[in-house]
Amino acid sequence: QITLKESGPTLVKPTQTLTLTCTFSGFSLSTSGVGVGWIRQPPGKALEWLAVIYRDDDKRYSPSLKSRLTITKDTSKNQVVLTMTNMDPVDTATYYCAHETVTINYWGQGTLVTVSS
Amino acid sequence: SSELTQDPAVSVALGQTVRITCQGDSLRSYYASWYQQKPGQAPVLVIYGKNNRPSGIPDRFSGSSSGNTASLTITGAQAEDESDYYCNSRDSSGDLLWVFGGGTKLTVL
Repeated sequence: QITLKESGPTLVKPTQTLTLTCTFSGFSLSTSGVGVGWIRQPPGKALEWLAVIYRDDDKRYSPSLKSRLTITKDTSKNQVVLTMTNMDPVDTATYYCAHETVTINYWGQGTLVTVSS
Repeated sequence: SSELTQDPAVSVALGQTVRITCQGDSLRSYYASWYQQKPGQAPVLVIYGKNNRPSGIPDRFSGSSSGNTASLTITGAQAEDESDYYCNSRDSSGDLLWVFGGGTKLTVL
C-alpha cells in the first residue's frame, strides 16, 4: 500500500523560506520510473504542479517557480524535501506530495501553508 | 495561465451521461489523466492513459481523446460524482513537465 504524508510549518512569514518534507511508504525511490513530486492548490483555486525528483536525481521544476524551488531526496529515509524561497501571501496553499509513474497516481493528504506576517 | 483548458462548470441530471473536456496542444502528444477532488480532500486518480481506470474506480468513468481534446465521460452520473475534476498531462515543452487544467465543477442535479 502506497502512502505519502506531508509535514512542515503551517504558518510562514513573507520573505521566509518554506521547507516541506514528504515521507512515503509502499515504494522505493530507487525503482526505475518512479518519481515523487509536489503540487499545490491555493484555497478555492486549481491545482498547480511544482516539481518532481526521480531515482537518478533527475529533477524537474515548474518554469514559473524554478528560481525559488529546490527538491531533494533521501532514499534511505524514504523522504523528499521541497524548499521554496521568498514566500509571499500568494503562496498560501495546500501543498501535496505525490507518487508518480506513468502518471501522478497517489497523493498525500496535503498540508495547508499560510503565508502571513 | 494553464496550458490545459477546462470548462469551469458542468451540470448533469442524475443518471444521465456527462462529458467533461480538456483542451491543449500537449494532448496531441500525451494522454491526459483525470482526477476527482471532493471538498477538503486530496485528488483521486480516476482515468489515465488511453482509457485506464485504477482499481476501485467505477466503470461508469471512461476517457477518450481526439486531436487536442481529452474527455472524461461519466455514464449514468451518481450523486456521489458531484466533485471538481482536473485533467493533467505532460506540458508541450518536451521537458517532461506536468501541467493541470483549471478544473471543472460537476453538479449532479
